[in-house]
Amino acid sequence: DTGVSQNPRHKITKRGQNVTFRCDPISEHNRLYWYRQTLGQGPEFLTYFQNEAQLEKSRLLSDRFSAERPKGSFSTLEIQRTEQGDSAMYLCASSGLAGGPSYEQYFGPGTRLTVT
Amino acid sequence: DQQVKQNSPSLSVQEGRISILNCDYTNSMFDYFLWYKKYPAEGPTFLISISSIKDKNEDGRFTVFLNKSAKHLSLHIVPSQPGDSAVYFCAAVNAGNNRKLIWGLGTSLAVNP
Repeated sequence: DTGVSQNPRHKITKRGQNVTFRCDPISEHNRLYWYRQTLGQGPEFLTYFQNEAQLEKSRLLSDRFSAERPKGSFSTLEIQRTEQGDSAMYLCASSGLAGGPSYEQYFGPGTRLTVT
Repeated sequence: DQQVKQNSPSLSVQEGRISILNCDYTNSMFDYFLWYKKYPAEGPTFLISISSIKDKNEDGRFTVFLNKSAKHLSLHIVPSQPGDSAVYFCAAVNAGNNRKLIWGLGTSLAVNP
């Protein structure tokens, strides 16, 4: 299967600890997005990469959050000094054959973060 | 400010009947609209999309209708099946805004056997 994968699927951490999530997009896609979803809400945009360049960060993303996409392949999202309000489902999506018009984004299964 | 609105939190229909899920938007700059289906503890799954230059797109049991003047779109599922029970999200894209998806809050569909 060549869909989007995310690891870990679940993470429980204590407040103040750092966590890192990984996303492996569909291999030929050049666009990668991170979203966050809490209960009863739609996903909220966090950040966007085109190839290895991070082109947009939401104001939701405080300076405790950092994302990378080295070499334009997989991406990592790190949260430092976690807070209980960071508890959410973190979703990764990829899209866009290089030069293509596609708007559809394909999502991974998500990482469920619980901060205790 | 919710730019994409799904005003019905839930919908219940009988198997075999039509399900109609509605979505309204406020931003006239949106040029593409998508519907996603989501099961608990899974990521959203893309269902169907429509460009703002069209008024209808059909894919099997799923049809999306767009009324630009009313800033309204709807997803029709015919016939509805129990496996369609999930949360359905409407999302919109402004191509000039890094194509990030702007989402509604979702409608939970229950298809009863």
